[in-house]
Amino acid sequence: AQSVTQLGSHVSVSEGALVLLRCNYSSSVPPYLFWYVQYPNQGLQLLLKYTSAATLVKGINGFEAEFKKSETSFHLTKPSAHMSDAAEYFCAVSVSGGGADGLTFGKGTHLIIQP
Amino acid sequence: KAGVTQTPRYLIKTRGQQVTLSCSPISGHRSVSWYQQTPGQGLQFLFEYFSETQRNKGNFPGRFSGRQFSNSRSEMNVSTLELGDSALYLCASSLAGQGLREQYFGPGTRLTVT
Repeated sequence: AQSVTQLGSHVSVSEGALVLLRCNYSSSVPPYLFWYVQYPNQGLQLLLKYTSAATLVKGINGFEAEFKKSETSFHLTKPSAHMSDAAEYFCAVSVSGGGADGLTFGKGTHLIIQP
Repeated sequence: KAGVTQTPRYLIKTRGQQVTLSCSPISGHRSVSWYQQTPGQGLQFLFEYFSETQRNKGNFPGRFSGRQFSNSRSEMNVSTLELGDSALYLCASSLAGQGLREQYFGPGTRLTVT
């Protein structure tokens, strides 16, 4: 079975500062990894996905994530935070690529942007 | 291309009642998954349907059921509602087949049980 741990239920950064949201996974087979963002009263929007083609994955809105197998991590970063980045972020893992077994999500990290 | 749509967006029910939620996937997507999101448990996988068949099910009681129609639209039903069923129910669709198939989520149906 797979699992996801997101360190920090809340992360606060200043506008313009580096954003780092941590995600560690556990999987018995090579996983597919995803980051989703959720704005208030909305569904989840895919930020980026790890497909094993490259360890550094670039997503939308300036976000990127690096897959580190030795550390079983898939941390999300953005060089410069913007007020519009304030939202809930979820890391998710799947062993079937998001197919029949569904996605296993972390508990989420609420990103707060200080002006 | 239109996104995943869910109806209704908000619903208030009383304990003991039953409820049916609807999901229309992105055109061409044949797989539909359902998730429950609560503050305490987070996002949890309910079940996944493909070609009108349930392929997998999460750890939820039998009161939670679903079905998929030939046009890939899906419904989920919760019978004998409990207060703990209050949640945001999210539907996601994806292309079927092997390999990476990212899921696209709808806006959700917020169910309140009183």
